[in-house]
Amino acid sequence: QVQLVESGGGLVKPGGSLRLSCAGSGFTFRDYYMSWIRQAPGKGLEWVSYISNSGTSIYYADSVKGRFTVSRDNAKNSLYLQMNSLRAEDAAVYYCALERVNYGYDIWGQGTMVTVSS
Amino acid sequence: QSALTQPPSASGSPGQSVTISCTGTSSDVGGYNYVSWYQQHPGKAPKLIIYDVSRRPSGVPDRFSGSKSGNTASLTVSGLQAEDEADYSCSSYAGSNNLVFGGGTKLTVL
Repeated sequence: QVQLVESGGGLVKPGGSLRLSCAGSGFTFRDYYMSWIRQAPGKGLEWVSYISNSGTSIYYADSVKGRFTVSRDNAKNSLYLQMNSLRAEDAAVYYCALERVNYGYDIWGQGTMVTVSS
Repeated sequence: QSALTQPPSASGSPGQSVTISCTGTSSDVGGYNYVSWYQQHPGKAPKLIIYDVSRRPSGVPDRFSGSKSGNTASLTVSGLQAEDEADYSCSSYAGSNNLVFGGGTKLTVL
């Protein structure tokens, strides 16, 4: 079945870095746009970034622009999010999500928790 | 990239209908027919229940319906069931390759 599995979350100090990974299976990974979406504890969802199927088009929310970098390896069916200069407000569950309908995400991973604290 | 506005809570009794609103601007909800709705149970990932304002993915019951008028989108849950108790969030394309979400609405089935 179609599945996304995130990994790489954890505890990091303010100003630190973390790299999240998302492994896709059960679908042709290289055919689809992928996104990262986060949810701070007790808060709503926030779109973070998305990357086109080929990786040539990449977009970021203003809140992470210049600090986060999204990439993908279609040969490995994997999506990545490099997060640098982390702040307390970046603490959240990070989901990778598959966009198979217009600006709608019909497949989500289970999420990986990022905690930013000294 | 301001968040869309949703009521923090909504409620209804089993069998009743409940409508949740999602208010944006002419730059997002009002400007595009790309509104989606998600259902999220505690500790779980969101599940897409409506896309393109009113379309349902395969497997989503027709008790869930979506609509839009001007800058406000709405999700209606008819024939409320206990398992519908969850958080519901809307999203909209906001132009310039941006996507914006609402703050979420907690639906309680009384």
